[in-house]
Amino acid sequence: EPEVTQTPSHQVTQMGQEVILRCVPISNHLYFYWYRQILGQKVEFLVSFYNNEISEKSEIFDDQFSVERPDGSNFTLKIRSTKLEDSAMYFCASSIDRGRTDTQYFGPGTRLTVL
Amino acid sequence: AQSVTQLDSHVSVSEGTPVLLRCNYSSSYSPSLFWYVQHPNKGLQLLLKYTSAATLVKGINGFEAEFKKSETSFHLTKPSAHMSDAAEYFCVVSVDTGGFKTIFGAGTRLFVKA
Repeated sequence: EPEVTQTPSHQVTQMGQEVILRCVPISNHLYFYWYRQILGQKVEFLVSFYNNEISEKSEIFDDQFSVERPDGSNFTLKIRSTKLEDSAMYFCASSIDRGRTDTQYFGPGTRLTVL
Repeated sequence: AQSVTQLDSHVSVSEGTPVLLRCNYSSSYSPSLFWYVQHPNKGLQLLLKYTSAATLVKGINGFEAEFKKSETSFHLTKPSAHMSDAAEYFCVVSVDTGGFKTIFGAGTRLFVKA
């Protein structure tokens, strides 16, 4: 069964450094998402991406964040200058379509630790 | 505003006994509701979803959930727990407010005792 994959599984970085989190969505899916879960808190929506542009973003997704689909398979989340509060689990997801009934398929997550 | 409340952060059952994981939602729009399960080091796997058809939804691994609009609930049940059911379970609401919103509950960790 096709799966969403994410690399790395765990990333440790120093405050102020740039990080790129990588995701490979399911191949025939058209919509891509990033979510994050700070330890002990709920999973929160960050951004959705379709047709090579951001379709929706939350108030969390500020100028420090960017997303890109650099080739036909990868979908990346870049954090320009990491802060301590960026430490969280980041989940990538993809779906065939974007409607309230469409199922999003999630990857296993990347745990980001900012020191 | 939309919200999802999972009423228990932890649930512990014995193997072979029923499982009940509770979820209540609040939404001004017609919601779709999902239950996902997350095993350690794995992605969130869809167990089942309610979109607007039958209110009793059957999912994988013997799980089912009933959408009760009057109670704004979507509780997840299974008649007989298995050790492999031990995991984190998330109730998720999706609504179209003019833009699409996906809102997660806080999660319920299910422990299954032998």
